[in-house]
Amino acid sequence: EAGVTQFPSHSVIEKGQTVTLRCDPISGHDNLYWYRRVMGKEIKFLLHFVKESKQDESGMPNNRFLAERTGGTYSTLKVQPAELEDSGVYFCASSQVAGGNYGYTFGSGTRLTVV
Amino acid sequence: SQQGEEDPQALSIQEGENATMNCSYKTSINNLQWYRQNSGRGLVHLILIRSNEREKHSGRLRVTLDTSKKSSSLLITASRAADTASYFCATDLYNFNKFYFGSGTKLNVKP
Repeated sequence: EAGVTQFPSHSVIEKGQTVTLRCDPISGHDNLYWYRRVMGKEIKFLLHFVKESKQDESGMPNNRFLAERTGGTYSTLKVQPAELEDSGVYFCASSQVAGGNYGYTFGSGTRLTVV
Repeated sequence: SQQGEEDPQALSIQEGENATMNCSYKTSINNLQWYRQNSGRGLVHLILIRSNEREKHSGRLRVTLDTSKKSSSLLITASRAADTASYFCATDLYNFNKFYFGSGTKLNVKP
């Protein structure tokens, strides 16, 4: 089966611009997660979708970040306007079952650089 | 506050040696998992250990969990250059559908 796909793999944008990251989960996985790693620090949870609904968005840093999952398939994460501190690697993961009893399948990540 | 924290932050060893990484966490957990990230790649799930387990093996990997000390260790035996990567522990709390990761241990295995 195809894994979790993220694109772009790299994005370099100027401060103030808008960037949209996309994640295609494994087909049939209702649960989709976004995480990010900033400046070599810990990987932090951003939000969790169950199908098209936001189950938990407690990790979203501020209202410059907007995540959507229309139709419960792929998800987008838009940053508008981007700030320097948004630079980092954004990971997407999907799972058939929610919770930590099984490992998640992560994508390769999108490395975002805001200059 | 950071739930998971790996130690050491960086580790450099020769091929063939064993590598041990530790993870400490703060609150009671449901499960603990270890992930690997090769440079430029995504996170790869290595092994999951449940809170009622003490030790688990998978190939050259051995994971231990001590819930009384809130710590776990990952041992990679007979390391290879291909093991060079960052390793993260991830914990999940009861009734929370998300993981808490640490900052990772950067392992360099020299050929």
